[in-house]
Amino acid sequence: NAGVTQTPKFQVLKTGQSMTLQCAQDMNHEYMSWYRQDPGMGLRLIHYSVGAGITDQGEVPNGYNVSRSTTEDFPLRLLSAAPSQTSVYFCASSFGFASDQPQHFGDGTRLSIL
Amino acid sequence: QQQVKQSPQSLIVQKGGISIINCAYENTAFDYFPWYQQFPGKGPALLIAIRPDVSEKKEGRFTISFNKSAKQFSLHIMDSQPGDSATYFCAASDYGTASKLTFGTGTRLQVTL
Repeated sequence: NAGVTQTPKFQVLKTGQSMTLQCAQDMNHEYMSWYRQDPGMGLRLIHYSVGAGITDQGEVPNGYNVSRSTTEDFPLRLLSAAPSQTSVYFCASSFGFASDQPQHFGDGTRLSIL
Repeated sequence: QQQVKQSPQSLIVQKGGISIINCAYENTAFDYFPWYQQFPGKGPALLIAIRPDVSEKKEGRFTISFNKSAKQFSLHIMDSQPGDSATYFCAASDYGTASKLTFGTGTRLQVTL
């Protein structure tokens, strides 16, 4: 099993450009989420999904869109990139909705906005 | 608003020593407290977790101590090894909010020879 796979691993964008960060999991997990990691701030929840067709906002959703058309995939879209979105983005998945279900993280996408 | 406060920001411990990382939370609805370990270039990985119905949980060299009245919990790494050098994050979630983790700001641990 590959677990949680994120692509690309690195990306540089210009301000105003759009792009999609890909996340796929092969564990048949219902719950998937996106976090951003910034120095001194830990990880902050952007968006999450409890199943195909269902998404909701986390702590810092502005500037990002998500959709969940399949159980396996949960892409994160930056509509118009801004320098403040320079960060490391992590996708995570877990088997169930209960808070004690271990979350499995991908290895991240390192995004720089110039 | 930082709902989970973590300290220290960085920690240097000699091999064989005890590493202690502390966290404090504000939201009394939190009922699940995991610790994640992150190596450079990798995503966080679950290390150990505790529910508030127990005051301590031990897994190998790693122990979580939990003080519900003080709203504090800590990670103890016994016999620290150079391979333990990583960034550690405490986190918390509310059972009713579907695994939405609130993370601390992280502690960078370096274990020296």
